[in-house]
Amino acid sequence: DAKTTQPTSMDCAEGRAANLPCNHSTISGNEYVYWYRQIHSQGPQYIIHGLKNNETNEMASLIITEDRKSSTLILPHATLRDTAVYYCIVRVGGQAGTALIFGKGTTLSVSS
Amino acid sequence: NAGVTQTPKFQVLKTGQSMTLQCAQDMNHEYMSWYRQDPGMGLRLIHYSVGAGITDQGEVPNGYNVSRSTTEDFPLRLLSAAPSQTSVYFCASSYSGGRRSYGYTFGSGTRLTVV
Repeated sequence: DAKTTQPTSMDCAEGRAANLPCNHSTISGNEYVYWYRQIHSQGPQYIIHGLKNNETNEMASLIITEDRKSSTLILPHATLRDTAVYYCIVRVGGQAGTALIFGKGTTLSVSS
Repeated sequence: NAGVTQTPKFQVLKTGQSMTLQCAQDMNHEYMSWYRQDPGMGLRLIHYSVGAGITDQGEVPNGYNVSRSTTEDFPLRLLSAAPSQTSVYFCASSYSGGRRSYGYTFGSGTRLTVV
């Protein structure tokens, strides 16, 4: 199963774009990259996922490098409510299908 | 549409007691998973399932049992509670492959303390 590496913490000014990097150099061809975030002690919230093309939704954009060894999550206009732990995850497979393996994530602090 | 419902929200157990954490989803999701999160740590996968009758172990399965008799329910059983199992437990569900969205929906968690 592919592992991910993320910076421990990042800071961002309110209103600016937050760019969160993730390395997944051992990802296999059919594994998706997922991004989730966890605000305080709530359950994780799905943000976005992708395979090899860049993706955008109402929350964020996901940029995946052509060799798929790294990706960047972009929050275009960060707000104080975006302060959270952000997890970059790849899917794992087994007898029961797939599940998510979480790493330590990046703690994003947005300040005014 | 309730999403993923976990009960109870809080529980205190004595060492050696057993209990079942309940998880139910009403989205007809095939995949369901259980995670634990210790203070200041990330989530660790306990057990997961792709449908009724099929389960598999995750990263930290010892001390826990699961079964999946219906699509909607995925209970987690603590066989003999230990203080090391004090944690927040999250249940999650998702559609299986072939759907447009593979995003997991998480419940709000069960906060368990073992004394």
